[in-house]
Amino acid sequence: EVQLVESGGGLAQPGGSLRLSCAASGFTFSGSWMHWVRQAPGKGLVWVSWINSDGSNTGYADSVKGRFSISRDNAKNTLYLQMNSLRAEDTAVYYCGRDRYYGMAVWGQGTTVTVSS
Amino acid sequence: QSALTQPPSVSGSPGQSVTISCTGTSSDVGSYNRVSWYQQPPGTAPKLMIYEVSNRPSGVPDRFSGSKSGNTASLTISGLQAEDEADYYCSSYTSTNTWVFGGGTKLTVL
Repeated sequence: EVQLVESGGGLAQPGGSLRLSCAASGFTFSGSWMHWVRQAPGKGLVWVSWINSDGSNTGYADSVKGRFSISRDNAKNTLYLQMNSLRAEDTAVYYCGRDRYYGMAVWGQGTTVTVSS
Repeated sequence: QSALTQPPSVSGSPGQSVTISCTGTSSDVGSYNRVSWYQQPPGTAPKLMIYEVSNRPSGVPDRFSGSKSGNTASLTISGLQAEDEADYYCSSYTSTNTWVFGGGTKLTVL
């Protein structure tokens, strides 16, 4: 079964850091582009970041550029999102997604990040 | 990276057809056939319904169809069913090697 499972969410203080993980199974992770997408409470989906299959190419939304870093460990079938200098507006459910034909064909269940003092 | 523009809400009766528009720019929707559509019922993760403007993944009913003209993409749902009630989002690849979503459209089945 194709599956993505996010973890690492929780409560962080403004200015703090968190690292999210996304464990993949049931497909060839090392051959797949991957994304992070977030959704603030009661709001719409917002694309956050992208990484190609070997990690040599990445992209970020302007709102997180310079603060967030996407990476992957193909040996562990795991995607990461390092989030630094967190702000209240980063509060959201964070989803990882597997790219197929420039769309996100597989989604995890999401992990919740709350930034608050 | 401005969000694509979608109507906040649409509605239709069972059996009818509805169309949701998604307007971008020449830097995203207008330049690439890399538009996707997602369905998100309340409290669940999104589901891919259309990729590359008009292609359906396996398992998605053929009642769902996509198209594009210029900077505007569209999702049409025909033979509306109660189970189609959900939020719908479009997304496009962009010229800056990033992606952008629309603001979302709430579909109500009357």
